[in-house]
Amino acid sequence: GDSVTQMEGPVTLSEEAFLTINCTYTATGYPSLFWYVQYPGEGLQLLLKATKADDKGSNKGFEATYRKETTSFHLEKGSVQVSDSAVYFCALILDGNQFYFGTGTSLTVIP
Amino acid sequence: GAGVSQTPSNKVTEKGKYVELRCDPISGHTALYWYRQSLGQGPEFLIYFQGTGAADDSGLPNDRFFAVRPEGSVSTLKIQRTERGDSAVYLCASSLTLGTGITDTQYFGPGTRLTVL
Repeated sequence: GDSVTQMEGPVTLSEEAFLTINCTYTATGYPSLFWYVQYPGEGLQLLLKATKADDKGSNKGFEATYRKETTSFHLEKGSVQVSDSAVYFCALILDGNQFYFGTGTSLTVIP
Repeated sequence: GAGVSQTPSNKVTEKGKYVELRCDPISGHTALYWYRQSLGQGPEFLIYFQGTGAADDSGLPNDRFFAVRPEGSVSTLKIQRTERGDSAVYLCASSLTLGTGITDTQYFGPGTRLTVL
C-alpha cells in the first residue's frame, strides 16, 4: 500500500549546520508530497509541498525536490537555527483525501 | 482568521467510559479530517467528511469509534467503551474543496490528548 518512510531521529545539530532529513515513499500512482512541522506545544503546520515530479517546494529556507526516479522527497536546509527545533513529518496524498504520514523526525538545534 | 480549534485539549477518562472530542474547522472549509497520533508515530487517518457526510471512514479502527458533522461545520469524534489502547492525540484538520473534488492543503488543530486509565 501507500506509505512514507522517513529518517529516524532524533537529530541534533549545531546552529548554522546543514540539515538533511530523508524521506522516501511508496505509492501506486502519482502522489502529492508534503513536509509538515510540529513545534513544541503546537499543532502540525504545512512547511512545504510539491505536487508533481521535479517540483521543488520551499519555505523558510527549507527545500525539498520531488524525485520520481528515486521516489524521494528529502528535506534540506543550508543553515539551521535554534528556532528550527521541532518534529518534521513527511507525508503523501494520493487519489483520495487522506494523508499517509511518516513517523516523524525530531530535530534539536543547539547554539 | 481563526485556525482549527479542538476541545478539550486534554481528556483523562477511565476504561469503559464514553468520550466526545470536538473540532471547529476553519470557517468555509467543507472538508474535515480526523487523525490519531500515538506516541512516537505519525498521524494515522481515521475519517474524512465532505460537508455533512462521511466520504471515507476506512480508518476508524472498530465500531466503538464514530464521528458526526451534522451541520457541515463542527465535528464530534465519539469513542464508546474506551480502552487503554485508545490513548493518543486526536488531531482534526480542515481544508477547502476544489472544483474537481480534490481538496487543498489541510490545516491542523492542536489536538486533544486522550488518556484512558
